[in-house]
Amino acid sequence: AQSVTQLGSHVSVSEGALVLLRCNYSSSVPPYLFWYVQYPNQGLQLLLKYTSAATLVKGINGFEAEFKKSETSFHLTKPSAHMSDAAEYFCAVSYSGSARQLTFGSGTQLTVLP
Amino acid sequence: DVKVTQSSRYLVKRTGEKVFLECVQDMDHENMFWYRQDPGLGLRLIYFSYDVKMKEKGDIPEGYSVSREKKERFSLILESASTNQTSMYLCASRGAYSNQPQHFGDGTRLSIL
Repeated sequence: AQSVTQLGSHVSVSEGALVLLRCNYSSSVPPYLFWYVQYPNQGLQLLLKYTSAATLVKGINGFEAEFKKSETSFHLTKPSAHMSDAAEYFCAVSYSGSARQLTFGSGTQLTVLP
Repeated sequence: DVKVTQSSRYLVKRTGEKVFLECVQDMDHENMFWYRQDPGLGLRLIYFSYDVKMKEKGDIPEGYSVSREKKERFSLILESASTNQTSMYLCASRGAYSNQPQHFGDGTRLSIL
């Protein structure tokens, strides 16, 4: 069975500092991996996706993530945090042949301090 | 851009009422999903549909049903609303392949009084 673990339910960074949100997956087959962002009282917006092409994936709003098979990780980073990055972030996994749902991590709330 | 539209952003209903949540997508996607989101419990799949009139139960289908009469529309039905169904409900759609992302609507915050 596939699962996703997001380490740290709450992360705080200062404005201008590096953002690092961690995601580890468990899957017996090659995964497809996604990062979503959710602002208060809104739906989820796709930040980026890994679908077995380049291992370093660039997304919107300056975010990127690197797929590391040996570490079963797909951590999300941004070099310099902005106040507008404050939101909840979800990592999700699916795999080939699955018509079904994404498996979501429990989410990480990012706070950006002035 | 994919657009997934949920009919209501906020809804207040009473216990025992039959409640309909509507979702429409404009990208001719085969797959559509209903989730509920609760603090501390994350996103949980209620039902999904992979074609017109086809549906499958997700992780928490009890107390809910769904309808997909047209490809673009997927409805979630609370047969007899209860207070424990107060939640944020999110609809999503996706194309035919599992390497494609799901696209979400803005959500419906439902309160059952």
